[in-house]
Amino acid sequence: QKEVEQDPGPLSVPEGAIVSLNCTYSNSAFQYFMWYRQYSRKGPELLMYTYSSGNKEDGRFTAQVDKSSKYISLFIRDSQPSDSATYLCAIYGQNFVFGPGTRLSVLP
Amino acid sequence: DAGVTQSPTHLIKTRGQHVTLRCSPISGHKSVSWYQQVLGQGPQFIFQYYEKEERGRGNFPDRFSARQFPNYSSELNVNALLLGDSALYLCASSLEGFSRNQPQHFGDGTRLSIL
Repeated sequence: QKEVEQDPGPLSVPEGAIVSLNCTYSNSAFQYFMWYRQYSRKGPELLMYTYSSGNKEDGRFTAQVDKSSKYISLFIRDSQPSDSATYLCAIYGQNFVFGPGTRLSVLP
Repeated sequence: DAGVTQSPTHLIKTRGQHVTLRCSPISGHKSVSWYQQVLGQGPQFIFQYYEKEERGRGNFPDRFSARQFPNYSSELNVNALLLGDSALYLCASSLEGFSRNQPQHFGDGTRLSIL
């Protein structure tokens, strides 16, 4: 079983849609949870960072963590074509472990 | 403020050669980490350095080595290159080491192609 698994995608949605991106993890010792956005030919850009179960909101982005289910999500409201990118979940226990990424396309 | 800078941006090598990749962290950041990202996959952790000492190592062969300099910049060295080493190599910096879970900020990487 992989340490971090992520919905593989790719995912295509119309502009304005609500997007849900999901990851599961296997090690309950993981403590901190992050979402990165990666545009083509660029490095990952930190979007959200949290360490507790529950929701954390930042503008159009909401990160949700359920430690009991070992499940994390990123919601994007009012999605825009500029949100088209690969989204990576990253989880920290002793080292950072990244999911494989979900490629999102938001169509005008 | 300058972000994490990496050089070169692109590199083409042949099998068996050696390569050195360079990284300058965000000003004030003392920790640098290196990752390998193969096309279509997430980054895989290679090394972490904090205050010039190796603080973590991923599951990579001894052909991979790194070091951190007094100004906190870093080099990643790969010997005896294999076709499978073709990837985007990412450097990330943070204020302190992993133990304090400082968020990491990434550079845009060096794209290494092995022929």
